[in-house]
Amino acid sequence: GQQLNQSPQSMFIQEGEDVSMNCTSSSIFNTWLWYKQDPGEGPVLLIALYKAGELTSNGRLTAQFGITRKDSFLNISASIPSDVGIYFCAGRSSGNTPLVFGKGTRLSVIA
Amino acid sequence: DVKVTQSSRYLVKRTGEKVFLECVQDMDHENMFWYRQDPGLGLRLIYFSYDVKMKEKGDIPEGYSVSREKKERFSLILESASTNQTSMYLCASSRFDRASYEQYFGPGTRLTVT
Repeated sequence: GQQLNQSPQSMFIQEGEDVSMNCTSSSIFNTWLWYKQDPGEGPVLLIALYKAGELTSNGRLTAQFGITRKDSFLNISASIPSDVGIYFCAGRSSGNTPLVFGKGTRLSVIA
Repeated sequence: DVKVTQSSRYLVKRTGEKVFLECVQDMDHENMFWYRQDPGLGLRLIYFSYDVKMKEKGDIPEGYSVSREKKERFSLILESASTNQTSMYLCASSRFDRASYEQYFGPGTRLTVT
């Protein structure tokens, strides 16, 4: 099946730093989604992107739908301790097909 | 707010037992999904359903079955639990339109099979 390559796998950053992570696909996607999962909980939707080139913000989070439609990026500005968790990208190629998920980026914030 | 609930947060079962995991959503969503999550493997789709009494196999359906008798409820069944089915199980739901790609997840059930 389709696969998404999400990087980095893990990050350790200082509180206040900015964070960048990305997701790439070998095929074109029509939708990109970004989720965050807190320890012991289900993933929560952060941002949804539907158009190539689209740039969308949600507070300190900004995500972009790549122009090639094969990648997406998530940036977190001025990180805080509650940003800790696993961030997943997800994409959909066509029709009402299920989402394809990346394996996640585990973010740790050092106060 | 979309609410997806799962019947148990933690479950311990013995090898060979029949296990039922229940998921209920309150937003009249057409689509429902079952995933399992294991360290290093991300989220893997087990089964999904686009409508009542409909089901489709995901990437790893072996050893599982599902039931969708009502729109709001999607059950995952482990006919004979095995230790390799120890995992975190996540249910999700979504609408059947442009926003259908926005899946909403439940809190998860951590299942241990001994």
